[in-house]
Amino acid sequence: GENVEQHPSTLSVQEGDSAVIKCTYSDSASNYFPWYKQELGKRPQLIIDIRSNVGEKKDQRIAVTLNKTAKHFSLHITETQPEDSAVYFCALFPTRMDSNYQLIWGAGTKLIIKP
Amino acid sequence: SAVISQKPSRDICQRGTSLTIQCQVDSQVTMMFWYRQQPGQSLTLIATANQGSEATYESGFVIDKFPISRPNLTFSTLTVSNMSPEDSSIYLCSVAQGRGPYEQYFGPGTRLTVT
Repeated sequence: GENVEQHPSTLSVQEGDSAVIKCTYSDSASNYFPWYKQELGKRPQLIIDIRSNVGEKKDQRIAVTLNKTAKHFSLHITETQPEDSAVYFCALFPTRMDSNYQLIWGAGTKLIIKP
Repeated sequence: SAVISQKPSRDICQRGTSLTIQCQVDSQVTMMFWYRQQPGQSLTLIATANQGSEATYESGFVIDKFPISRPNLTFSTLTVSNMSPEDSSIYLCSVAQGRGPYEQYFGPGTRLTVT
């Protein structure tokens, strides 16, 4: 079945620098790609998503890019701040008929912002 | 997005007993999902609970162990039956809402410890 590979598993960046997390997938028919942020002890929160008819989407300091040909999508965080420290999960919605509307999840990236 | 609550927020249970987790949403939603998240791990879907039909379980999860109820469009329960220490985990409910069936929003989770 479909799976999502997420890299890196841990990312440590200096405060103010940019962070990039990448996910690759195999099902070319996937059409929805969300990113979730999970702070320690909290619930996963949807922070940004992109659909397959769009190549890039921005929301203030975060952006997501999608390369359907290469089958990868990335989360970009600019001007990182201490509150960006969290685990980030990518996910996708497969379009196969038996998907039952479930999301397929990446393994997560622990982002550490160094002061 | 919907406001989602879960009860209990945490519990410590003896092996062999059962715990029922409640998920309440402040608006009507068609699709609800139950996930398990082990510490430091990604999200694993247990089942999809749609009102008016039987829950659909993912591979590795069975109804006898994780019975689910969905009596109306704002409420669902997940029971963890005959618990063992391996069931210690965080259990999260989520709802599909928004521009399509894909966008999922999570409850705060229930931290279960089985001794």
